[in-house]
Amino acid sequence: QQQVKQSPQSLIVQKGGISIINCAYENTAFDYFPWYQQFPGKGPALLIAIRPDVSEKKEGRFTISFNKSAKQFSLHIMDSQPGDSATYFCAVSMYSGGGADGLTFGKGTHLIIQP
Amino acid sequence: KAGVTQTPRYLIKTRGQQVTLSCSPISGHRSVSWYQQTPGQGLQFLFEYFSETQRNKGNFPGRFSGRQFSNSRSEMNVSTLELGDSALYLCASKYLGDHRTYGYTFGSGTRLTVV
Repeated sequence: QQQVKQSPQSLIVQKGGISIINCAYENTAFDYFPWYQQFPGKGPALLIAIRPDVSEKKEGRFTISFNKSAKQFSLHIMDSQPGDSATYFCAVSMYSGGGADGLTFGKGTHLIIQP
Repeated sequence: KAGVTQTPRYLIKTRGQQVTLSCSPISGHRSVSWYQQTPGQGLQFLFEYFSETQRNKGNFPGRFSGRQFSNSRSEMNVSTLELGDSALYLCASKYLGDHRTYGYTFGSGTRLTVV
């Protein structure tokens, strides 16, 4: 059973446009929602993360929107640049106190920003 | 500050052999977790260690095992290799504590090819 569903699988956006990637989850116990960026040959790098007690978090050109009732969260990349071309993964996790339960990842979105 | 170091970067093994992968976390990080990344299944959680104890395990067969040493370095072992074990194996470390605050830092991975 896929605990987090990510869409779209691939996305092409013009330079300067807005890139939007969506994720939906099932388990309401999840309490941590990060987005990771991965370039070829590299491991995923944490981009931005949100907790369920806020509806939006912005860091530079990157914004997470979180809808707790719909169990959905999304990544918005404003003024998308060719350097943003990468694979993006959403993830979910829950804090158990004695140790994290690991990250459950979405399948990834391959983003291409056309110059 | 050095990042998460994984060795070797590339490995080719024959079916039936076993393999050991190594991970050195960021200095001061005491938690280490392992993930398998494949085109078909995406990023999947293998296990997490801190204080030399396995704290959580993903849904993988017993052929996959790991350990953590007193200096927080970790190794994972895969015995009786199968073709389907070909993947990028990623290690992630974090400062021991609430991962919602500290987050996970990934290494660049070990690319394992089983022939």
